[in-house]
Order: sequence, then C-alpha cells, then structure tokens
Amino acid sequence: AQSVSQHNHHVILSEAASLELGCNYSYGGTVNLFWYVQYPGQHLQLLLKYFSGDPLVKGIKGFEAEFIKSKFSFNLRKPSVQWSDTAEYFCAVSTMNSGYSTLTFGKGTMLLVSP
Amino acid sequence: DADVTQTPRNRITKTGKRIMLECSQTKGHDRMYWYRQDPGLGLRLIYYSFDVKDINKGEISDGYSVSRQAQAKFSLSLESAIPNQTALYFCATSVKAGESGANVLTFGAGSRLTVL
Repeated sequence: AQSVSQHNHHVILSEAASLELGCNYSYGGTVNLFWYVQYPGQHLQLLLKYFSGDPLVKGIKGFEAEFIKSKFSFNLRKPSVQWSDTAEYFCAVSTMNSGYSTLTFGKGTMLLVSP
Repeated sequence: DADVTQTPRNRITKTGKRIMLECSQTKGHDRMYWYRQDPGLGLRLIYYSFDVKDINKGEISDGYSVSRQAQAKFSLSLESAIPNQTALYFCATSVKAGESGANVLTFGAGSRLTVL
C-alpha cells in the first residue's frame, strides 16, 4: 500500500528561523504531490502542489517545496518563519486505488513558532 | 457562503446511536470525499464518490456508509456509533481527472463528533 511519511511530528522554532519539513512517499508510479496547512481551529488549505515540470515549486506565504524523484521526497521549506506560521502541515500524495486516483496524507507535523 | 458546507459542526452522541453528517458544495465539483482526522494519525479516507452513481470505499470504511444524493450533496452515516469513531470529520471536493486542478481538494470546515 502507498504511504506517506512525515519525519517530524512536532517542530518548535523561533521567529526568523529557517524551516524544513521532511516528506517521503512510497509509490513507484507517477505522483502528484501536495502540502496542506491547517491553522488552529480551521480546515485544511492548499499550500502548494507539484504535478510536473520544475521540481522546485513555490506556494503561498513564502513556502516552497522540492520534488526529488530519486529520493521519493517532497520537503517543505521556508527561509524565515513567522509566528503566524504556527499550524499543522500535511504532506499528501495522489495515488491510484482500484483505477481511481485519491490522496494519501501523512500524519502531519505540528509547527509551533515562538515570537 | 462557504464553498463546502458541513453540518453539524459539532455533535455529541451516545454509543449505538445513528448519526448522519452532511456535506454540500457549491463548487460544481464532480468528486467528493469523506476523511476523518485523529491526532497523530493525519487524515484517513473513509469513502469517496467520483459522480452520483459512483461510490468507493476508502482506507477505513468499516462502520460507515455514505449516500451521494446529488452532485452537490454527500452524506456520511454511522449506523451505530462507537467511541473510537470520535474524531474530526472532513468533507472535501475536487474536479474530475483530466481537468485543471484535478486532485486538489477543497475542504469543508469539519464536523467534530464525540461518541460517549
């Protein structure tokens, strides 16, 4: 079965620190990759996505992610985090399931940014 | 108004009760999904529907059923609720394969269910 691994369950950073959240997936076929963010008390929102082309994708709020096919990875980065980035971050991969494409989510990484 | 609306937003019920969570969307999307979120487990797919006549089981469908009443409506039922179904439930929608934005999910605000 396809799986998505997020290496860190909890990350604590100070404002202005750099961020990198790891995501690895196990699926040998063509994938679409996503990062979603869930701010406290809110629903999930799309942060960025990769379908094809340039493996370095840029999303909202200064986030970016790099798809490294050989490593089955799609790590999320931000050069300088802000207190407002405190949220839970989910990596997701589209996979085929009985001929249909669905998203499989990682378990999430809770990011706490201290002011 | 929200693109994807879930009702109720919060519900407390007792073991053995039947519960229905409803989802409606104004996005015009063909595909609809139900996920549950548990702390430390992320989101897990319960059921999904790619059109009104197409219903598919997801990763954790046991104990749940769904109904796609119309393109815009997709409800999730717990026939006999049990405490380990206590979770946050999300409905989501997406366009169909081949269209721009396929696999990009739009989520509802969530329905928090507590089973005592």
